[in-house]
Amino acid sequence: SQKIEQNSEALNIQEGKTATLTCNYTNYSPAYLQWYRQDPGRGPVFLLLIRENEKEKRKERLKVTFDTTLKQSLFHITASQPADSATYLCAYGNNRLAFGKGNQVVVIP
Amino acid sequence: DVKVTQSSRYLVKRTGEKVFLECVQDMDHENMFWYRQDPGLGLRLIYFSYDVKMKEKGDIPEGYSVSREKKERFSLILESASTNQTSMYLCASTPGTGGFSASGYTFGSGTRLTVV
Repeated sequence: SQKIEQNSEALNIQEGKTATLTCNYTNYSPAYLQWYRQDPGRGPVFLLLIRENEKEKRKERLKVTFDTTLKQSLFHITASQPADSATYLCAYGNNRLAFGKGNQVVVIP
Repeated sequence: DVKVTQSSRYLVKRTGEKVFLECVQDMDHENMFWYRQDPGLGLRLIYFSYDVKMKEKGDIPEGYSVSREKKERFSLILESASTNQTSMYLCASTPGTGGFSASGYTFGSGTRLTVV
């Protein structure tokens, strides 16, 4: 069956450093991967989409890479700030998204 | 600003009750989705719809049904609520044909349903 996996352990990081999250998928070759941010008690918010023919995508302090050989996407938050503390979800699917369980980031001032 | 509005933030219902969760979007999106989110299990797709009067089962449709009589409204129905349906329910929408959009999904704020 198709699976999408994110690290279940929270990532604690010092303010100003780069946070890096990993999303791995198996038994599937998605044409797209999406990343979302979710704050406690709220719905996810769309951040970025990366296509399989794009190696890297950037949006402000966010950077996403997509390695179809490793079946992996990396999500980077550069110059992290306490306001970046949240859970980040990766998702794939063409017509219906399947989500990873999310990876919590805590930015320590 | 585009919006997906879920009618209730918190809901408490009794076992066996019929429960309606309402979702309305103001973006003229074709596609709408219902997910539930539980600790340790993540987001799981219950039902989705690509068009008015159209519905498709997701990964966990048992115990649920949906209705989409108008483009902007997608209702989730728990026919006979049970305690294992206690969860956070999230509605989402996206434009485009057949469920895909490069602009991602827009989610509502969620309804936290407790069945006692």
